[in-house]
Amino acid sequence: AQSVTQPDIHITVSEGASLELRCNYSYGATPYLFWYVQSPGQGLQLLLKYFSGDTLVQGIKGFEAEFKRSQSSFNLRKPSVHWSDAAEYFCAVGARGNEKLTFGTGTRLTIIP
Amino acid sequence: NAGVTQTPKFRILKIGQSMTLQCTQDMNHNYMYWYRQDPGMGLKLIYYSVGAGITDKGEVPNGYNVSRSTTEDFPLRLELAAPSQTSVYFCASSSPTGQGYGYTFGSGTRLTVV
Repeated sequence: AQSVTQPDIHITVSEGASLELRCNYSYGATPYLFWYVQSPGQGLQLLLKYFSGDTLVQGIKGFEAEFKRSQSSFNLRKPSVHWSDAAEYFCAVGARGNEKLTFGTGTRLTIIP
Repeated sequence: NAGVTQTPKFRILKIGQSMTLQCTQDMNHNYMYWYRQDPGMGLKLIYYSVGAGITDKGEVPNGYNVSRSTTEDFPLRLELAAPSQTSVYFCASSSPTGQGYGYTFGSGTRLTVV
């Protein structure tokens, strides 16, 4: 069975600082990987996704993520965070032919001035 | 383009009552899903559907039922509501292509059972 671990429940960073959110997955075959963002009281919005090819993927809002098969990781990064990036971030794993996504427990991001 | 629309946004139920959470999408997506979100638990799949007339259980189906009579609609039925069903419910849809897929989520229904 597929699973996702987000080891950081809550992260606080200063505005303008760099950000890395960790995601580790468990899946027997080549996974499809996703990052979603959820603002308070809102639904989830897709930031980026990896299916195949280049292991560094670019997403919306200046985010990027790198798929590292050897480490079973798909960490999300942003060079310089903005106050509007404060939200909860979810990593998810799926697969070809199995479109049921499994989500991690989320990382809440707080931005301080 | 409305995307995925969920109603109601908020609801308070008494123990033992029943209700239906509505979900409609206008993107002609074949796949639809219901998830529940509890604090610190992420999202758990309740039911999903790969097309009209086809539904299947997810990870946490007990206490819920679904139907899919049209491509657009995927209502979630709660029978005999229990406090354990207090949660935020999200409906999502997707349409797999050769380039993969991605979910479009509704804005959620916050349900409290008292």
